Amino acid sequence: EVQLVESGGGLVQPGGSLRLSCAASGFTFNNYWMSWVRQAPGKGLECVATIKQDGNEKYYMDSVKGRFTISRDNAKDSLFLQMNSLRAEDTAVYYCVPVPPGHWGQGTMVTVSS
Amino acid sequence: DIVMTQNPLSLSVTPGQPASISCKSSQSLLHSDGKTYLYWYLQKPGQSPQLLIYEVSDRFSGVPDRFSGSGSGTDFTLKISRVEAEDVGVYYCMQSIQFPFTFGPGTKVDIK
Repeated sequence: EVQLVESGGGLVQPGGSLRLSCAASGFTFNNYWMSWVRQAPGKGLECVATIKQDGNEKYYMDSVKGRFTISRDNAKDSLFLQMNSLRAEDTAVYYCVPVPPGHWGQGTMVTVSS
Repeated sequence: DIVMTQNPLSLSVTPGQPASISCKSSQSLLHSDGKTYLYWYLQKPGQSPQLLIYEVSDRFSGVPDRFSGSGSGTDFTLKISRVEAEDVGVYYCMQSIQFPFTFGPGTKVDIK
């Protein structure tokens, strides 16, 4: 059974940092591109960042370029998102998904507020 | 970025009746490998999204056959042959031919 367990969310002040983690199981993690997709409260879905199987290609949505960094550890079947200089508009549930997104976890909530 | 649009943005359906949602992309989703990278998701209230249809018309594991997808190039349709109460939620189309992959704005379906 495919499982994606996101963690690391929480309440942070504007300008602060958070590191999200995702533990994947039930599929061959290093065979897949992986992405972080977010959903602001009451809003739609946005692909924030995507990373190739070997970590050598990365893509970011424009609004997070220079602030967010996606990475992975294939030995531990784990995906990460380092988020710096957080803004109120980054408030969302963040999901870790394989590409294309066949399975979804429960997500982790990030709230940026003073 | 590829822009995805959906119509209608909301839909109220009588149980047992059909429903149809349109999705259009700003560029062709047909890849040189012959596949078309268009997906449909349903997000039920309070839940994570779930995959319904992949590559235009293939139903994901466990998806009832009342759901079907069609289309090509830039124009796609999701059809529900007979809507059931459990089908309420927001339906999203998504493209993954180009990064960043992008979603449509969503179509909210409820029951009359």
